[in-house]
Amino acid sequence: EAGVAQSPRYKIIEKRQSVAFWCNPISGHATLYWYQQILGQGPKLLIQFQNNGVVDDSQLPKDRFSAERLKGVDSTLKIQPAKLEDSAVYLCASNPLGLTYNEQFFGPGTRLTVL
Amino acid sequence: KQEVTQIPAALSVPEGENLVLNCSFTDSAIYNLQWFRQDPGKGLTSLLLIQSSQREQTSGRLNASLDKSSGRSTLYIAASQPGDSATYLCADIKAAGNKLTFGGGTRVLVKP
Repeated sequence: EAGVAQSPRYKIIEKRQSVAFWCNPISGHATLYWYQQILGQGPKLLIQFQNNGVVDDSQLPKDRFSAERLKGVDSTLKIQPAKLEDSAVYLCASNPLGLTYNEQFFGPGTRLTVL
Repeated sequence: KQEVTQIPAALSVPEGENLVLNCSFTDSAIYNLQWFRQDPGKGLTSLLLIQSSQREQTSGRLNASLDKSSGRSTLYIAASQPGDSATYLCADIKAAGNKLTFGGGTRVLVKP
């Protein structure tokens, strides 16, 4: 079974530029998550989708971050314009839809450096 | 506010020594607690999941305990090996939306 795929793996941009990340979850997984992990910290949830609907985006900085999952499969996360403090690893995770807790499966992440 | 804390932030031990990693959480009404491993440049790998009704889980050399009353979980790694060098993260889990709240992690170095 293929895992969660993310691209690109690394990205370096200058502040005020735009950047987009892509995630393809495990086939059949209804729920998709985007996390931000700043160096030395644990991941922080940015947004959670169930199919193509947003379940929780309370910690997403909506003035500069946006995310979509139009067909309920893959997803993109965009930052526009980027700030220095956005330098982090962006992790995507997915899990099946269920009534009890289902393990989240994580992708390798995209490391963003903002100069 | 739900918080998860891991102390120490870094740990170095000689090969063969047992590892003890600590995780504290503020919300006793957690649903589950999960331990992950993260290697440099890689995503997170799940190690052990403890449901709130359980006291511990074991897998090979790994054992994780959960004490909801004190708000603590401990991950034990027996007879550490250099391959155990990684960052270990704990996360508590709320039932609603399967939301994970992570600690800051403990970076472990096992010296040969």
